[in-house]
Amino acid sequence: DGGITQSPKYLFRKEGQNVTLSCEQNLNHDAMYWYRQDPGQGLRLIYYSQIVNDFQKGDIAEGYSVSREKKESFPLTVTSAQKNPTAFYLCASTRERKNTEAFFGQGTRLTVV
Amino acid sequence: QKEVEQNSGPLSVPEGAIASLNCTYSDRGSQSFFWYRQYSGKSPELIMFIYSNGDKEDGRFTAQLNKASQYVSLLIRDSQPSDSATYLCAVNTGGSQGNLIFGKGTKLSVKP
Repeated sequence: DGGITQSPKYLFRKEGQNVTLSCEQNLNHDAMYWYRQDPGQGLRLIYYSQIVNDFQKGDIAEGYSVSREKKESFPLTVTSAQKNPTAFYLCASTRERKNTEAFFGQGTRLTVV
Repeated sequence: QKEVEQNSGPLSVPEGAIASLNCTYSDRGSQSFFWYRQYSGKSPELIMFIYSNGDKEDGRFTAQLNKASQYVSLLIRDSQPSDSATYLCAVNTGGSQGNLIFGKGTKLSVKP
């Protein structure tokens, strides 16, 4: 079955620690995205990538980093510079930039302990 | 700043009624429009998309688009308790960024 796989489902981070969230897709989609969702809020774009080895900042990129070394993979690192990282993180992909729907992974819930 | 606005709700309707969810967007150049359903603690799932002005029906769901008014809506007929969820409106502007812009969502509650 084609789809997007995020791991882990739950992640706990200590203060000052970097953590990496995994996102893998086998849909052969070109574009991939990372969103953050806080309780009762919509999705806010962190980073997106339309092609391998290229990515752009979204609206709330500070404290996050990404890489796109392979078409299938778009990992997100939450760095210690992100002061309020507790949230639900969603990875998505689209076949191409225009007029196509986004497919989502099941999400990673990150909690600072 | 491109924006997508939705009434946060909660919108409460009785079982069997029509639920009407509304969304406005700021970018007149927007090209495609999507409705996602999100259950609590889960990821969004696509339920409807629409590209052209007018109505598009799929089972109990009807999406309506009016580009002149920059307005898109979702009607759910014969609402069921299982329809209780948050509904996210998303707009793809088709510009150089080409990313989806999401509204904050409307929480729908269908009472038995």
